Amino acid sequence: KNQVEQSPQSLIILEGKNCTLQCNYTVSPFSNLRWYKQDTGRGPVSLTIMTFSENTKSNGRYTATLDADTKQSSLHITASQLSDSASYICVVSAVYSNYQLIWGAGTKLIIKP
Amino acid sequence: GAVVSQHPSRVICKSGTSVKIECRSLDFQATTMFWYRQFPKKSLMLMATSNEGSKATYEQGVEKDKFLINHASLTLSTLTVTSAHPEDSSFYICSAMPDRSLMNTEAFFGQGTRLTVV
Repeated sequence: KNQVEQSPQSLIILEGKNCTLQCNYTVSPFSNLRWYKQDTGRGPVSLTIMTFSENTKSNGRYTATLDADTKQSSLHITASQLSDSASYICVVSAVYSNYQLIWGAGTKLIIKP
Repeated sequence: GAVVSQHPSRVICKSGTSVKIECRSLDFQATTMFWYRQFPKKSLMLMATSNEGSKATYEQGVEKDKFLINHASLTLSTLTVTSAHPEDSSFYICSAMPDRSLMNTEAFFGQGTRLTVV
């Protein structure tokens, strides 16, 4: 069964600190992995999208890694800001899936001043 | 980046009435659009895949007659919640993909619609 699991479920850190969010998946055959940021009451916004051949991709202070062998991904946030408070969702797409995305439950990140 | 506009952002309706939610791709054509529902503190749940010019594909457990989807053009898909009940209250989000032939095409999301049925 295609699944995406994220950890931790929630995380609280102080402003300026770094953090890393984890994503494990069992989706096969794998097509791509995406990280989205979703503010409360808003639609998701794309941070990164990685294919099988990509190991890392950065978007400003966000850096995503992908290990297709172990089926693991991480999202590292450096020098956190209050505006980083949001849910971060890992989403995986399978080949021949009719473009459907398999969603993780997300990590709720809270940045405290 | 590409923009997907969803309207309305909030709607309150009486039980038994119908509500239409629009999803527009503003600067690209989208043969495929997706409709999601999100419960509080939960991730998005795919309801249906909307295909321009053909019938929508509904996920298991989603009532076709309850959630009517129309994708009449390459830039517009609509979701109509018919005979709404309080349990239909939720956050509905649409997304659109610019090119159905590219597996790694980015999906762009609307702002979401908060539906409250009273």
